[in-house]
Amino acid sequence: DAGVIQSPRHEVTEMGQEVTLRCKPISGHDYLFWYRQTMMRGLELLIYFNNNVPIDDSGMPEDRFSAKMPNASFSTLKIQPSEPRDSAVYFCASSLTGAVRYEQYFGPGTRLTVT
Amino acid sequence: GENVEQHPSTLSVQEGDSAVIKCTYSDSASNYFPWYKQELGKRPQLIIDIRSNVGEKKDQRIAVTLNKTAKHFSLHITETQPEDSAVYFCAAGSGGYQKVTFGTGTKLQVIP
Repeated sequence: DAGVIQSPRHEVTEMGQEVTLRCKPISGHDYLFWYRQTMMRGLELLIYFNNNVPIDDSGMPEDRFSAKMPNASFSTLKIQPSEPRDSAVYFCASSLTGAVRYEQYFGPGTRLTVT
Repeated sequence: GENVEQHPSTLSVQEGDSAVIKCTYSDSASNYFPWYKQELGKRPQLIIDIRSNVGEKKDQRIAVTLNKTAKHFSLHITETQPEDSAVYFCAAGSGGYQKVTFGTGTKLQVIP
C-alpha cells in the first residue's frame, strides 16, 4: 500500500483565497483524521470521520474551515477565505478499528502558506 | 476535553546518555497512551504505546511508564543515538482508542 496520500504537498496562496487540501487514506481504514501542526500549538485535531461520517469537529477553528468525506477513499479540508494565521502544516491520518495497534498512519502533510 | 502537557519542550543529551520525556493528562477516563516520533520534515510515526492496565512497557531501547493515580506517563530512551534526534509527541485517548489528544512535543537532540 502507498500509505496515506495528501495533495498538494505545498500550497502558497494569498489571503482571501479558497484553499482545498486533499487526502486519500489507506485502503480499508475506517477512521480519518485532519490535524494542523504549528510551532506554537503543536498537533491539533481539527476533525475526524468514522466510516465517512464526521464524528467530532470541535477542533475546527471557525466557520471558514470545512471538511468532507464523500467516500471511503477521499477527503477534503477546505479553508474559505484563507488568512495568514492559517499558515501551518496540515496532516491527514487514517487508522483501522480492531487493528493490533491503534496506530494512526499519517500522510506526508501539506505545508500551507497564506500571504 | 482532554488536556495533555509535555515537558521539556527541548532536550539535549550526549550520545549514549538516557533521555526522559514526561507528560501529564487531565481526563481520568483516558486509558491509552501512544508516543509518536517525528523526524525533521517527516510525518509522525508511532513508536510505542501503553494501555492503562499496564504500568510499564519496553521495546529495545525505549520504555514507557504510566502512573494512573498521578495521571502522568513518561518515555525513556536509553543509550541514545544520533538517529534518535527528532520531535517526540505523547498523546492520551479513551474509549475506542481511535481519537487521541497530543502533547505539544519535545525536540530531542542527541549530540555525537
